[in-house]
Amino acid sequence: DADVTQTPRNRITKTGKRIMLECSQTKGHDRMYWYRQDPGLGLRLIYYSFDVKDINKGEISDGYSVSRQAQAKFSLSLESAIPNQTALYFCATSTGVSNQPQHFGDGTRLSIL
Amino acid sequence: AQSVTQPDIHITVSEGASLELRCNYSYGATPYLFWYVQSPGQGLQLLLKYFSGDTLVQGIKGFEAEFKRSQSSFNLRKPSVHWSDAAEYFCAVDPGYSTLTFGKGTMLLVSP
Repeated sequence: DADVTQTPRNRITKTGKRIMLECSQTKGHDRMYWYRQDPGLGLRLIYYSFDVKDINKGEISDGYSVSRQAQAKFSLSLESAIPNQTALYFCATSTGVSNQPQHFGDGTRLSIL
Repeated sequence: AQSVTQPDIHITVSEGASLELRCNYSYGATPYLFWYVQSPGQGLQLLLKYFSGDTLVQGIKGFEAEFKRSQSSFNLRKPSVHWSDAAEYFCAVDPGYSTLTFGKGTMLLVSP
């Protein structure tokens, strides 16, 4: 089983719909992250959480919200989806040590029509 | 502003030839440095990392990278490329805040 699991893997939806992407991990890491990937732009940080009571905005948080339900679960919501939020979304985790690498899920491909 | 630059969007290398992917960063101090690889339909896999010490670091799959402070660079190299190395490669830096800033990626194509 994957250490960092994202659901769904693929989603097609319509403009204006509320969407939730879920991430769960079995690595026991405290820190969790959400990124979006767009062709030619690399990965950009949306939100991150260093523990259950900690939520921080990243580079591109507008139009998104998150919930850290437990140490192992971190959800990303699009309150009212718009077409330019069509992208590949990644969840990642890391330990509490800043020089340790992040570990990524396999991504959720989201298409908004 | 802090930034990570991968100047090559695409690179094509013949199988068996050597490879160098470039990465430059702009930060006030030496950040933590990473290279990740993404195969189609997959997440990102860590190839190697640099924190301190020896400026030449070895990674998985026969990759290595050299940190050059004077050039603010962390270039990825492989002596002999295999067809299975075709993928997108990302350089990333952590300035010490436990968040990553990524370059825009370099797509590696391997020709027969």
